[in-house]
Amino acid sequence: NAGVTQTPKFQVLKTGQSMTLQCAQDMNHNSMYWYRQDPGMGLRLIYYSASEGTTDKGEVPNGYNVSRLNKREFSLRLESAAPSQTSVYFCASSEGRRGLGNQPQHFGDGTRLSIL
Amino acid sequence: AQRVTQPEKLLSVFKGAPVELKCNYSYSGSPELFWYVQYSRQRLQLLLRHISRESIKGFTADLNKGETSFHLKKPFAQEEDSAMYYCALSGLYSGGYQKVTFGTGTKLQVIP
Repeated sequence: NAGVTQTPKFQVLKTGQSMTLQCAQDMNHNSMYWYRQDPGMGLRLIYYSASEGTTDKGEVPNGYNVSRLNKREFSLRLESAAPSQTSVYFCASSEGRRGLGNQPQHFGDGTRLSIL
Repeated sequence: AQRVTQPEKLLSVFKGAPVELKCNYSYSGSPELFWYVQYSRQRLQLLLRHISRESIKGFTADLNKGETSFHLKKPFAQEEDSAMYYCALSGLYSGGYQKVTFGTGTKLQVIP
């Protein structure tokens, strides 16, 4: 079982370039999330999608856009990359049943993104 | 607002010594708490959640609502326990959907 799959695994960009990070899950989960992981700051939520057709901002959404393409796929786009966006990006999914807050999240392997 | 605090960035212990990774939370409702582990350059994976009251890889965690804590414990550390540990709090957004807040993580280093 693949679980949550992220592509690419590594990417180097120049300042101002654009890029889309892809995420797909095969667990029929309703909710999907994008986090960034930076040293000393843990995981910070960028955007989430509670269910197909909806997206909402998280803690650090500036400079990013997302698309919930269908139930399986949730992409993250950097329109004009900046060095401050150098980070490791994780996609996650959870069952997303309304009214239940005890559902664990399943994570992808992450994308290491460097902006020069 | 929901908040998770992990006060230690790094915890070094000797093999065979007890381990306690601290986690304190702030949440106005009834919290759902988790511990996730990330081994070197791997994905985060669920270690345990308080609702299950289980022991995974020898680790346990007890929710203390009075002290708003969910500390992770293991009586005897093993070298393979060296990893990054994240405490996470799950609440509900308006609309009834899940919102998860992570702590900043504690790196556990087990010294042979």
